[in-house]
Amino acid sequence: GQQVMQIPQYQHVQEGEDFTTYCNSSTTLSNIQWYKQRPGGHPVFLIQLVKSGEVKKQKRLTFQFGEAKKNSSLHITATQTTDVGTYFCAGMGRTGNQFYFGTGTSLTVIP
Amino acid sequence: EAQVTQNPRYLITVTGKKLTVTCSQNMNHEYMSWYRQDPGLGLRQIYYSMNVEVTDKGDVPEGYKVSRKEKRNFPLILESPSPNQTSLYFCASSLFRTGEKLFFGSGTQLSVL
Repeated sequence: GQQVMQIPQYQHVQEGEDFTTYCNSSTTLSNIQWYKQRPGGHPVFLIQLVKSGEVKKQKRLTFQFGEAKKNSSLHITATQTTDVGTYFCAGMGRTGNQFYFGTGTSLTVIP
Repeated sequence: EAQVTQNPRYLITVTGKKLTVTCSQNMNHEYMSWYRQDPGLGLRQIYYSMNVEVTDKGDVPEGYKVSRKEKRNFPLILESPSPNQTSLYFCASSLFRTGEKLFFGSGTQLSVL
């Protein structure tokens, strides 16, 4: 079946350092979404990418969708303690009926 | 306020005792879905529903049932819970037809002893 893997599984950074998580799908995705889950909370939508090679920015966050639409990345510049949480990618398969979530990257920011 | 409401927030039960986790959304969303979250495995889809009376299996449906008799409600039923169903469960909804984002409930932490 469809698989979406994320690396790394865990990342500890000093406050102010950059952070990147990568998402890779075994098949081509029609679009990809990113979610953030704070500790003890529920996933909250961050952004959606649809076009091949698309790049979107939200303040310190930069999201990319690969040219082949099989991978994506989230980069955070100059992390802050408010960035702590688990980041998930979610890709929609070609059938358009299901979102396939990545395994998640847990980010810890050390003050 | 637009939201997805899940109940209960925490549930401890014993093996074999039937239980239902309720999920309700007030956004008139067509698409609803259940996920379980386990460490290292991310969010895995259990069942989803494209509309009333339309449900389909996700990646891990064994041991679960769902129903979609009304647009707003999508309960998750465990007929005979087992310890391997101990997990954090999330309900989510979306307009979906337009590729809209998923709105998640607050989650249900289930422990099966």
